[in-house]
Amino acid sequence: AQSVAQPEDQVNVAEGNPLTVKCTYSVSGNPYLFWYVQYPNRGLQFLLKYITGDNLVKGSYGFEAEFNKSQTSFHLKKPSALVSDSALYFCAVRDETDSWGKFQFGAGTQVVVTP
Amino acid sequence: KAGVTQTPRYLIKTRGQQVTLSCSPISGHRSVSWYQQTPGQGLQFLFEYFSETQRNKGNFPGRFSGRQFSNSRSEMNVSTLELGDSALYLCASSLGQGETDTQYFGPGTRLTVL
Repeated sequence: AQSVAQPEDQVNVAEGNPLTVKCTYSVSGNPYLFWYVQYPNRGLQFLLKYITGDNLVKGSYGFEAEFNKSQTSFHLKKPSALVSDSALYFCAVRDETDSWGKFQFGAGTQVVVTP
Repeated sequence: KAGVTQTPRYLIKTRGQQVTLSCSPISGHRSVSWYQQTPGQGLQFLFEYFSETQRNKGNFPGRFSGRQFSNSRSEMNVSTLELGDSALYLCASSLGQGETDTQYFGPGTRLTVL
């Protein structure tokens, strides 16, 4: 069975500082990993995904994520956070061995960026 | 391309009633998935439809059902509403070609059960 964990309920960071949102996963085969962001009363917006290849994935709005197979992690990063990055962030995983398998989402991490 | 649309955006119902939510996927997308989002349980998968067939199902009671039409539009129905059904219901569409597909989400329908 696949699972994903976001160990921090909330991350607080000052504007202009680096932002990291952590995600770890567990799957049977190779993982397919995704990051989404949700603003209040809105749906989820896709940021980036890792399928295969380069461990550093670049996505929308200046975000990037690093896939680490040995640590089973896929942390989301942004070099310089903006107040507008304040939102709820979700990590999701799919397992290559689970045909047409559903996305497994983490519990979400609330990011608060202060001016 | 237009994004995923969901109607209505807000619904207020009373216990025991039933409700139908609608989702129109991105043009060309054949897979539609439904999720329930609550503060306590987070995002929970309800079911996925592809080419009018339910391809995957989560752990929800039979009161929750869905269907997909030939134009890929999908509806979700909840019968005999309970207070605990109050949630944001999200629909997501994708090409449906495999595990690497990205799901694109609609804005959701906020259901309140009184």
